[in-house]
Amino acid sequence: ETGVTQTPRHLVMGMTNKKSLKCEQHLGHNAMYWYKQSAKKPLELMFVYNFKEQTENNSVPSRFSPECPNSSHLFLHLHTLQPEDSALYLCASSPQAQGGRGYGYTFGSGTRLTVV
Amino acid sequence: SQKIEQNSEALNIQEGKTATLTCNYTNYSPAYLQWYRQDPGRGPVFLLLIRENEKEKRKERLKVTFDTTLKQSLFHITASQPADSATYLCALVNSNTGKLIFGQGTTLQVKP
Repeated sequence: ETGVTQTPRHLVMGMTNKKSLKCEQHLGHNAMYWYKQSAKKPLELMFVYNFKEQTENNSVPSRFSPECPNSSHLFLHLHTLQPEDSALYLCASSPQAQGGRGYGYTFGSGTRLTVV
Repeated sequence: SQKIEQNSEALNIQEGKTATLTCNYTNYSPAYLQWYRQDPGRGPVFLLLIRENEKEKRKERLKVTFDTTLKQSLFHITASQPADSATYLCALVNSNTGKLIFGQGTTLQVKP
């Protein structure tokens, strides 16, 4: 275990469903991130939260809705997804958001999402 | 446009040899560069960080170099083992935006 826990590990959902991905860390980190990893493509940064405040939305479609109730928990709410949204969704945390400090990220194992 | 390029072809080497992976970037001004290891079905694991004013960094069998003139980082694994087989990702922080951006990774296969 890395200290960042993601649930569920696998999720299959229809295009009309609503589901949520959960991420939890107890490392005392103040920054949390959502990344999307598709086959043969680099990790794509989706959202950044620093001290519970969203500081980055990387032009993500509104069918993805993040929520950060506290510095330890991060959610990604999904609704009316498309098959091309199928990917590995990774949560990560770091002591603070990047800004020249050089923190390595701690990643969870990801949620493998399949949209049918 | 901004690019981070890693060799998309898998690197196959014999156990005991040194593996060298390359990360090239264009149109970035990174404050530092990071290397991660990713195993199938798992998230990336942070390995090493090197800053723009550092030429070389070592950690056990790992060595990273950073040449801001060539816009390149090299990642070396000495005395490689089959357990080193994985995908290795480089990532850099754009000093202007503070974002951590990843390359697509290079898969290393170490054969016994």
